Amino acid sequence: EVQLVESGGVLVQPGRSMKLSCAASGFTFSSFPMAWVRQAPTKGLEWVATISTSGGSTYYRDSVKGRFTISRDNAKSTLYLQMDSLRSEDTATYYCTTAIHDYWGQGVMVTVSS
Amino acid sequence: DVVLTQTPPTLSATIGQSVSISCRSSQSLLHSNGNTYLHWLLQRPGQSPQLLIYLVSRLESGVPNRFSGSGSGTDFTLKISGVEAEDLGVYYCVQGTHAPPTFGGGTKLELK
Repeated sequence: EVQLVESGGVLVQPGRSMKLSCAASGFTFSSFPMAWVRQAPTKGLEWVATISTSGGSTYYRDSVKGRFTISRDNAKSTLYLQMDSLRSEDTATYYCTTAIHDYWGQGVMVTVSS
Repeated sequence: DVVLTQTPPTLSATIGQSVSISCRSSQSLLHSNGNTYLHWLLQRPGQSPQLLIYLVSRLESGVPNRFSGSGSGTDFTLKISGVEAEDLGVYYCVQGTHAPPTFGGGTKLELK
């Protein structure tokens, strides 16, 4: 059974940092480009970042460039999202997903507030 | 960025009714490799999104065949032939032809 399990979400103050993790199982993680997608409360889906299978190529939406870093550890079948200089507008549920959207995690809530 | 416009934003249906959702793109989604990277997702209340249709019309494994997708270029349609209670939720189209990937605004399917 395919599973993507996110962790790391919590309440954080503006300007602080947070790191999300996504543990994958049930499929060959290293063969799939991966992505983070977020959903602000009561809003639609918004792509955040994508990483290639090797991790050598990464892509970000403009609003998070320079603040967020996507990475992966294929030996551990784990995807990461390092989020720095967090802003209130980053408040959302963050989903780990394959880049072609066929597998999704359960999501983790990140709240940025003082 | 490519803008995907979904209509209607809300759809009321009775069980057994057939319904359609439109997704229009601001640019052609035909990739130079011949594929059209337009997919459909369903997000049931309180759940993560799930893939229903990929590459315009290909049914994801395990998805009932009452779901079908069609279209080309800039105009795409998701059809549900006989709505069931488990189909309620928000439907999203998403494109991966042009960077960055973008999502439609969603269509909420509710019971009439």
